[in-house]
Amino acid sequence: EVQLVESGGGLVQPGGSLRLSCAASGFTFGSNAMTWVRQAPGKGLEWVSTINGRGGNTYYADSVQGRFTISRDDSKTTLYLQMNSLRAEDTAVYYCAKDQSLHWFDPWGQGTLVTVSS
Amino acid sequence: EKVMTQSPATLSVSPGERATLSCRASQSVSSNLAWYQQKPGQAPRLLIYGASTRATGIPARFSGSGSGTEFTLTISSLQSDDFAVYYCQQYNNWPLTFGQGTKVEIK
Repeated sequence: EVQLVESGGGLVQPGGSLRLSCAASGFTFGSNAMTWVRQAPGKGLEWVSTINGRGGNTYYADSVQGRFTISRDDSKTTLYLQMNSLRAEDTAVYYCAKDQSLHWFDPWGQGTLVTVSS
Repeated sequence: EKVMTQSPATLSVSPGERATLSCRASQSVSSNLAWYQQKPGQAPRLLIYGASTRATGIPARFSGSGSGTEFTLTISSLQSDDFAVYYCQQYNNWPLTFGQGTKVEIK
C-alpha cells in the first residue's frame, strides 16, 4: 500500500523559513515524480512544485518560484519542500502526492498545515 | 497559464439523482484532465484521469467525458458518500492548474 506522510508544518513569522518532509513507502520512490499541492484555508487547490524521478527536472508555480525549493532523497524515500521568505499568503495545508506518469496525482498524503503569521 | 473554470460553484442534488459538473479550459488541454473528490478535513482523492478513465476502486457511477476545452463529470445516482467538493486539473502544460471546485450538496 502506498503511504505518504507529511511533516514539518507549523507557525512561522513572515520572512521566515520552514522545511516540509514527505515520507513515502509502498512504491519505487526513486523512479517516480512527486508533487506538492497546497490549499489555503477555505480555498481551492493550488499546484506548488513537481520534481521528476531520479532527481530530474523541477517545476514551480510562479507564486513560489525563487523562494521554494523541492528536493528528494531517494535513499530515504523522502520528498522535501524548503520554503524561504514566507508570506502570509503561503498559509495553507501542504499536501504531497505521488505524481502519475503524465502529472495527475494519486494518492495524496494527509497534509501538513503551515501558518505564516506574526 | 491555462485557466480552468468549473460550474456551477454549488450544485444542490437529492440522493439518487444525477449530478453533472462542468470544467472548461481557457485553451485546449487535449484529454489531459483529471477529476478529484475532496471531503471536509480530508485529502483529495483521484476519481478520473485522461478525461474519462476511472481510477482504481472508483465506482462506475462516476464517469468523465470531454476533450479539448469542455469536460464533464457525471455522477449517475448520488449517494450520501458523494456529497463533497470536486476539482478538475489539467496536466497538459506547465503550470499545472486546478479549477476552483464545485461543491455538491444535499438538496
